[in-house]
Amino acid sequence: AQSVTQPDIHITVSEGASLELRCNYSYGATPYLFWYVQSPGQGLQLLLKYFSGDTLVQGIKGFEAEFKRSQSSFNLRKPSVHWSDAAEYFCAVGGYNQGGKLIFGQGTELSVKP
Amino acid sequence: DTAVSQTPKYLVTQMGNDKSIKCEQNLGHDTMYWYKQDSKKFLKIMFSYNNKELIINETVPNRFSPKSPDKAHLNLHINSLELGDSAVYFCASSQQGVNEKLFFGSGTQLSVL
Repeated sequence: AQSVTQPDIHITVSEGASLELRCNYSYGATPYLFWYVQSPGQGLQLLLKYFSGDTLVQGIKGFEAEFKRSQSSFNLRKPSVHWSDAAEYFCAVGGYNQGGKLIFGQGTELSVKP
Repeated sequence: DTAVSQTPKYLVTQMGNDKSIKCEQNLGHDTMYWYKQDSKKFLKIMFSYNNKELIINETVPNRFSPKSPDKAHLNLHINSLELGDSAVYFCASSQQGVNEKLFFGSGTQLSVL
């Protein structure tokens, strides 16, 4: 079955601390992987995506993610969190010729302490 | 200019009513989508259209009927609303399916009383 699991429902970090959000996927074909961020009352915005090539991908707002095929993971990281990073983060998987269909994880809510 | 705009932002209605949500994108994209986000924040695709043609229909009840008058618009009509339809509905668009990123609207929060 195709699925995305984000084990952490809610994470709180201090401003300036590093961040890692976990994502594991199950997908029958070569996965295309995405991280989206949702601010309250807003739609989702793409942070970064992985299709192929270098397994460490850089995104917007200083985020990066690493694809590890052996672990079926695509964890999101940021070395130093800013208060404005507080939001909901969604990992998603899709595939070639799937008509743009993405399977989303249940999201991780990030809170940032001053 | 808002890239993907959907109206209304909030919709409160009684069970059994019929309602529509409108979506427009000004990005020139070929593909548009409707996603549903439930109370547990799970996002699931409902429909996708490519150049006004239905591509994906994810086992959605017949009460939901998307309509795409042109490739810049994808509206969602819901008949006989039920309590379980309460959710946030997101419209999105992309240029070439999954190879390009999805641009999401800000969502329509539907509350069925």
